Amino acid sequence: AQTVTQSQPEMSVQEAETVTLSCTYDTSENNYYLFWYKQPPSRQMILVIRQEAYKQQNATENRFSVNFQKAAKSFSLKISDSQLGDTAMYFCAFMTLASGTYKYIFGTGTRLKVLA
Amino acid sequence: DAGITQSPRHKVTETGTPVTLRCHQTENHRYMYWYRQDPGHGLRLIHYSYGVKDTDKGEVSDGYSVSRSKTEDFLLTLESATSSQTSVYFCAISDPSDSYNEQFFGPGTRLTVL
Repeated sequence: AQTVTQSQPEMSVQEAETVTLSCTYDTSENNYYLFWYKQPPSRQMILVIRQEAYKQQNATENRFSVNFQKAAKSFSLKISDSQLGDTAMYFCAFMTLASGTYKYIFGTGTRLKVLA
Repeated sequence: DAGITQSPRHKVTETGTPVTLRCHQTENHRYMYWYRQDPGHGLRLIHYSYGVKDTDKGEVSDGYSVSRSKTEDFLLTLESATSSQTSVYFCAISDPSDSYNEQFFGPGTRLTVL
């Protein structure tokens, strides 16, 4: 069975600094997708960034980038130039099509607080 | 923003009463999901649907049932609510035609069972 582990329940970072959130996963599949979702205090889940396992190049979206290490099954999120609006819960998620169904597995989340 | 609404947004009920939560989408997405979110557990899949009248269980399906009679609506029913079902419930949608395989989420429903 696939699992997703986020080992940092809470983190804090100073405004304008860089922070990295870790995520590891376990799967025997070769083709899958990884996601980072942000959940601000409003509770709305927002996709931050996604990565296809078959792509070696790390995905980037403005201040957000990932370090995808397929062999190590690691998918960390780096937030550069942290802003107060980045304060949120961040969830790592995994999805594979191998079983023929589109099921997503989420980690337990990392609560990030950006300090002024 | 994807067109996903959930109703009600907040509900307080008593143990033993039936509760139905509704998810409505305007995106014509094939897949619909119900998750519950609890501190320390992240999002856990309750049930999902891969088409009208096609549903399957997730990892925490005990005590819940679902129905999907139309593409746009996915209902989650707690037949006899218990305090352990106090949670925030999220509906989500996705579609195989989306090459990004992104899930879109509704705003959530906070359910309190007293």
